[in-house]
Amino acid sequence: DQQVKQNSPSLSVQEGRISILNCDYTNSMFDYFLWYKKYPAEGPTFLISISSIKDKNEDGRFTVFLNKSAKHLSLHIVPSQPGDSAVYFCAASPGVGSNYKLTFGKGTLLTVNP
Amino acid sequence: DTGVSQDPRHKITKRGQNVTFRCDPISEHNRLYWYRQTLGQGPEFLTYFQNEAQLEKSRLLSDRFSAERPKGSFSTLEIQRTEQGDSAMYLCASSLQGSNSPLHFGNGTRLTVT
Repeated sequence: DQQVKQNSPSLSVQEGRISILNCDYTNSMFDYFLWYKKYPAEGPTFLISISSIKDKNEDGRFTVFLNKSAKHLSLHIVPSQPGDSAVYFCAASPGVGSNYKLTFGKGTLLTVNP
Repeated sequence: DTGVSQDPRHKITKRGQNVTFRCDPISEHNRLYWYRQTLGQGPEFLTYFQNEAQLEKSRLLSDRFSAERPKGSFSTLEIQRTEQGDSAMYLCASSLQGSNSPLHFGNGTRLTVT
């Protein structure tokens, strides 16, 4: 039973365009959401997060949107750069302060073509 | 900040042997986590420590697995009588205590059981 789903295994975009990575969750107890980026042979690196009291959080080229009613979040990267090519994981945790127990999706491989 | 360090990076062992992995967290982080990632999946929570206390264990952590953090600094994860199904990437992460402090992952130990 996958509680966090990333239905697109891969995504390919042109440099300079927008990348949109999607994530759906099923557990209503989740209230804190994160995106991690992973390069080959490295561990996941924290990118951006959002609490359920917000619907948008922005950090430079990265913006995360949360739609609680739809149990859906998305990560927008604009403009996309070749160095953004990596696997992106969506993760969620239940309850304030319970961020230790993250539930991850399977990841989406983003390829940004020059 | 030297990041989370894991040793070894790779371990190949024969079925039935015991293996031990080490994790050195970021020095000021009092929380330490172990996750496991298999091919095509996202990381899965195994266990976490706050200082030297092991506060939660996933049911993924069978009796053959034991984790310790004796002085609240580095941690070890031991797998006894390894099985082929134990082959995975074992990821360690650390964080500050506090609501929604992001987890910082190490580069992992890749275990192959033959």
